[in-house]
Amino acid sequence: NAGVTQTPKFRVLKTGQSMTLLCAQDMNHEYMYWYRQDPGMGLRLIHYSVGEGTTAKGEVPDGYNVSRLKKQNFLLGLESAAPSQTSVYFCASNQGRTEAFFGQGTRLTVV
Amino acid sequence: GQQVMQIPQYQHVQEGEDFTTYCNSSTTLSNIQWYKQRPGGHPVFLIQLVKSGEVKKQKRLTFQFGEAKKNSSLHITATQTTDVGTYFCAGGSSASKIIFGSGTRLSIRP
Repeated sequence: NAGVTQTPKFRVLKTGQSMTLLCAQDMNHEYMYWYRQDPGMGLRLIHYSVGEGTTAKGEVPDGYNVSRLKKQNFLLGLESAAPSQTSVYFCASNQGRTEAFFGQGTRLTVV
Repeated sequence: GQQVMQIPQYQHVQEGEDFTTYCNSSTTLSNIQWYKQRPGGHPVFLIQLVKSGEVKKQKRLTFQFGEAKKNSSLHITATQTTDVGTYFCAGGSSASKIIFGSGTRLSIRP
């Protein structure tokens, strides 16, 4: 089983550029999440989805957009990247209040 | 909004010593989960507690959920070098989103 797969694994962007991070899960989970992890800050929830076609804001949603057009995919978009968005991004999925499975992470640097 | 605080931020212990991390929520939780993240890795689920006052053990790890369902702790007895990593608690709310604590980074002197 692949579990949760994130692409790309690494990316360097220039300030103002846009990009989309893709998260795919093959466990038929209803819930999907995007987190960012900065040193000493733990995991902060950006956006999440409780089902296909639904999205909701988390703790730090500004500067990001998401879409869940298919149940297995959750996309995170940065419309105009800023250096403050340099971070490691993790996608996770679960089936309601159960164990969350995480992807390997995407290391994003904005210069 | 819901906040989950975790202390301490860092803990450096001698191998063989015990370790404890504490998690406190600003709101009553439906459940609490614990995860471990090895350096350079991704969080991996350890356990979930649901009932008020619940205590669960996994070998040298003991997890507790407070009576009011607003706090939790993870205790490791006689740490080993394989315990190195960051331990996160994660609180489940009625809205089903998972809010993580800031984590406790454990390092160990052999």
